[in-house]
Amino acid sequence: NAGVTQTPKFRILKIGQSMTLQCAQDMNHNYMYWYRQDPGMGLKLIYYSVGAGITDKGEVPNGYNVSRSTTEDFPLRLELAAPSQTSVYFCASRQQPSLDEAFFGQGTRLTVV
Amino acid sequence: DAKTTQPNSMESNEEEPVHLPCNHSTISGTDYIHWYRQLPSQGPEYVIHGLTSNVNNRMASLAIAEDRKSSTLILHRATLRDAAVYYCIPTTSGTYKYIFGTGTRLKVLA
Repeated sequence: NAGVTQTPKFRILKIGQSMTLQCAQDMNHNYMYWYRQDPGMGLKLIYYSVGAGITDKGEVPNGYNVSRSTTEDFPLRLELAAPSQTSVYFCASRQQPSLDEAFFGQGTRLTVV
Repeated sequence: DAKTTQPNSMESNEEEPVHLPCNHSTISGTDYIHWYRQLPSQGPEYVIHGLTSNVNNRMASLAIAEDRKSSTLILHRATLRDAAVYYCIPTTSGTYKYIFGTGTRLKVLA
């Protein structure tokens, strides 16, 4: 059971480039989340999804896009990368919104130069 | 969404109990209280959750105040491996967001 898998683990982007951070879970969870964590700070919610085809904005959605075509996958798209998007990105999933624990991936460390 | 207040940092000696407080005075009657911790360079991991009564598991205990405006995560014997940032998260029934606060950084002294 792999849990939540994020790829890549590390990436360096140039300003203005685009990329997709991949997140996959094999637990058949309906709810999935993307967070960013700046150095020394807490986690900020970027986007979340309550099931295939349904996504919504979190606290800091600007500069990002998401899609959820399957239950398993929840990719995060960065368009026109900026230095302010340098951060560690975490993906998480859970089965139910109140009762269940969330499972987190190991994170993607992104640097925009 | 319910707001939380946690101390920025705390220290404990190894093998002593640790009480990590969280104030969530705006919590509603159906909000569960979840606790996570984040070890250095890792993603958060679930610790414990509860609604009204105290809860115990192999990692910790959760004591919830009778008025539910605060809770305390109890580590019975702190180890060096427990050094982490601990987050308290009320989960509001009917909403799907999962918002982390700033957490408490626990330092364990050998």
